[in-house]
Amino acid sequence: EVQLVESGGGLVQPGGSLRLSCTASGFTFNTYNMNWVRQAPGKGLECVSYIGTSSSTMYYADSVKGRFTISRDNAKNSLYLQMNSLRAEDTAVYYCARDRGYCRSTTCYGYYMDVWGKGTTVTVSS
Amino acid sequence: DIVMNQSPDSLVVSLGERATINCRTSQSVLYSPNSKNYLAWYQQKPGHPPKLLIYWASTRESGVPDRFSGSGSGTDFTLTINSLQAEDVAVYYCQQYYDTPCSFGQGTKLEIK
Repeated sequence: EVQLVESGGGLVQPGGSLRLSCTASGFTFNTYNMNWVRQAPGKGLECVSYIGTSSSTMYYADSVKGRFTISRDNAKNSLYLQMNSLRAEDTAVYYCARDRGYCRSTTCYGYYMDVWGKGTTVTVSS
Repeated sequence: DIVMNQSPDSLVVSLGERATINCRTSQSVLYSPNSKNYLAWYQQKPGHPPKLLIYWASTRESGVPDRFSGSGSGTDFTLTINSLQAEDVAVYYCQQYYDTPCSFGQGTKLEIK
């Protein structure tokens, strides 16, 4: 079964850090680009970050640029999101999602997302 | 960045009737070299992650019932749900993948009358 399982969420104080993980199974992880998408309570979806298959391509939303770092370990079938300098507005459910885009040479192109995890909740509050 | 705007914000439709949701992008998402519109539609039920319904504006994902269809080109797109079923109650989102970072519409909440 194709599956993504997020972990690492929790309650953190403003200014703090958290590292989210996403473990993939049921498919060849190193052949897919991956995304982090978040959803604030009662709100819509926001593309947070994207990484290509070999980590040569990475994108960030302006709202997290300079504070969040996406990475992956293909040997461990895992995707990560290091979140620093957290703010109240980062409070959300964070989903990892498989991307059906492709890579050409060292550049990867994000498309639509066909497999989603159940999400992990991050709450930033004092 | 490409801004997405969906209409209406909410919709109430009777069982068996048709629901129509619109999505407008701030710039064209049609890539001329391959004539493809870089737009997808998702369904999200309460307490669940989004589910991919449609990509390339009109291609149905495997396993999605054929009562779901997508249309449109350039900047204006429509998701149509024919013969509405009770299980179609959800929030629907459009997403562009023409530009990075990707972006979603604000969502349309569909309810049954």
